[in-house]
Amino acid sequence: QSVLTQPPSASGTPGQRVTITCSGSSSNIGSTFVYWYQQLPGTAPKLLIYRNDQRPSGVPDRFSGSKSGTSASLAISGLRSEDEADYYCAAWDDSLSGVVFGGGTKLTVL
Amino acid sequence: EVQLVESGGGLVQPGGSLRLSCAASGFTLSTYWMKWVRQAPGKGLEWVANVNQDGSEKYYVDSVKGRFTISRDNAKNSLYLQMNSLRAEDTAVYYCARRFGDPQGVDVWGQGTTVTVSS
Repeated sequence: QSVLTQPPSASGTPGQRVTITCSGSSSNIGSTFVYWYQQLPGTAPKLLIYRNDQRPSGVPDRFSGSKSGTSASLAISGLRSEDEADYYCAAWDDSLSGVVFGGGTKLTVL
Repeated sequence: EVQLVESGGGLVQPGGSLRLSCAASGFTLSTYWMKWVRQAPGKGLEWVANVNQDGSEKYYVDSVKGRFTISRDNAKNSLYLQMNSLRAEDTAVYYCARRFGDPQGVDVWGQGTTVTVSS
């Protein structure tokens, strides 16, 4: 059972917009920044979004992040087949004094 | 090229020990917090431990406290994870990672090394 809650799966067709949610509490998302990672099959994760809504250089602007209260969202617009991957949110948890991840969302491009 | 390369994984019996190493290149290790993150087969990511630039501050997930020790040798550009009293639930791919921004941030990941705890 992960501290941060994500839907286990999401799907969309090419060109569509998909949103993945990450729900937490006041001790994590509510009091710190949210990061998002993309993990393609068989590879190490990759940083996608940092500090709620910032994109590292090289990440397409099709990817965007937002946060409101104790929840965060990752939106992917103009969906492409290469976006098919697992997506994880992460935050610091003050109560646990540690980093917590969401359980991951497997995105399927139909 | 900025790179992290892990080694030391393998098959170990329950109760055994293993030491993972991570060789850093392309950047100055001593200026970064570093961490280990693991991923059990078919499961999600789990943060294991963080260490600050000079090794004086260390943080662990509760499930490994007292069993795992994170350390570093900046002169050798290396990060380590000493794992003792291993359990079946420690079976995972272990990633060495460079912290970016906040404690939950990682901008460079290794390719991972597999640890299997089984009799």
